[in-house]
Amino acid sequence: GQQVMQIPQYQHVQEGEDFTTYCNSSTTLSNIQWYKQRPGGHPVFLIQLVKSGEVKKQKRLTFQFGEAKKNSSLHITATQTTDVGTYFCAPRGSGGSNYKLTFGKGTLLTVNP
Amino acid sequence: SQTIHQWPATLVQPVGSPLSLECTVEGTSNPNLYWYRQAAGRGLQLLFYSVGIGQISSEVPQNLSASRPQDRQFILSSKKLLLSDSSFYLCAWSPNPRGELFFGEGSRLTVL
Repeated sequence: GQQVMQIPQYQHVQEGEDFTTYCNSSTTLSNIQWYKQRPGGHPVFLIQLVKSGEVKKQKRLTFQFGEAKKNSSLHITATQTTDVGTYFCAPRGSGGSNYKLTFGKGTLLTVNP
Repeated sequence: SQTIHQWPATLVQPVGSPLSLECTVEGTSNPNLYWYRQAAGRGLQLLFYSVGIGQISSEVPQNLSASRPQDRQFILSSKKLLLSDSSFYLCAWSPNPRGELFFGEGSRLTVL
């Protein structure tokens, strides 16, 4: 599986503030997926990024894939209490098939109402 | 539509006892299947994955094993549980080798 560093490990914000989590790899990635896990729940797929420099939006969430396909970010605009949870990136390496999907350590987001 | 079922949801087992967690997927064929483990407040650790019946790849063997007796059935087992096996176990499936994962509700195991 592909190894990445995900930062920050924790982030506490006031409701309405923005939030960003980053995933950084030392090698080029084939694609990267993002998941959200609510407290006590299971991870839920959010999005997959494949193309260099790709930007995708889901309402207040903006996902980016770096030009070199080595890093990615998830940005949430004007956080709400419903955004609370742990956000994981899950990269796939380049070159051939890779059935294994390993996850970053995640960023735990807490939102103060 | 496809669904994934995982059970039991919670269990408490004594040290040295066996373990069997079961996962089934409905509404699809030949799914890629995965077992992950998540310690409290931690990330997801891949334990096993399978691309077909009888095909199991192990990432963290330890005292756990996995089997896929049927196309849409994935079982996580142990002959003798350790205290360190206490964790949250998640089964997941994917429609293709590079697709997104769909997770079950998880099984919370406590070993005493």
